[in-house]
Amino acid sequence: SQKIEQNSEALNIQEGKTATLTCNYTNYSPAYLQWYRQDPGRGPVFLLLIRENEKEKRKERLKVTFDTTLKQSLFHITASQPADSATYLCALDGFSGGYNKLIFGAGTRLAVHP
Amino acid sequence: NAGVTQTPKFQVLKTGQSMTLQCAQDMNHEYMSWYRQDPGMGLRLIHYSVGAGITDQGEVPNGYNVSRSTTEDFPLRLLSAAPSQTSVYFCASSYLTEGLTSANEKLFFGSGTQLSVL
Repeated sequence: SQKIEQNSEALNIQEGKTATLTCNYTNYSPAYLQWYRQDPGRGPVFLLLIRENEKEKRKERLKVTFDTTLKQSLFHITASQPADSATYLCALDGFSGGYNKLIFGAGTRLAVHP
Repeated sequence: NAGVTQTPKFQVLKTGQSMTLQCAQDMNHEYMSWYRQDPGMGLRLIHYSVGAGITDQGEVPNGYNVSRSTTEDFPLRLLSAAPSQTSVYFCASSYLTEGLTSANEKLFFGSGTQLSVL
């Protein structure tokens, strides 16, 4: 069956360290993968998109990798700050039920401690 | 620009009641969609629209209706609320432009409606 999985346990790290979040998928062949940030009581906010032919994408302190062989994306936040504390969702495009749709993971909560 | 605006923010219904969740966007986006978010699960697509007058079902459409009479508005109607519809509902919009291959790239979400059905 098709699955997209993110670590359900919260990730706790110290301010200044690099946070690494994982997104694994099975039985999909996505053309791209996206990462969103979601704060409590708010809607997701788009952060980065990486295509299947790209190995790595960067935006300021954010870095995303995409390994189509391992079927995995890693999301890194360098020099993390308490303001980075949020839930991070990965999403990939999947063709199912006759149309292309965005498949979301359940998200990983990141807590950055001062 | 307000972006994507959803109302109400919170709603409590009794089983069997009907209601409409409102969604409006001021970015002239062709594509709009409704998702529900439940604890421990990813966002699931309920209905979507690729333009005014065109709607289609998503992954979990049962119990919901939509219409798209204008580019700006995409209301979601619950016909007869059930406890299983207790969830947080998000409306999203997107557009297909140069450099993008799909309107599923870079969604803009509203702030959500938290719905409880008793």
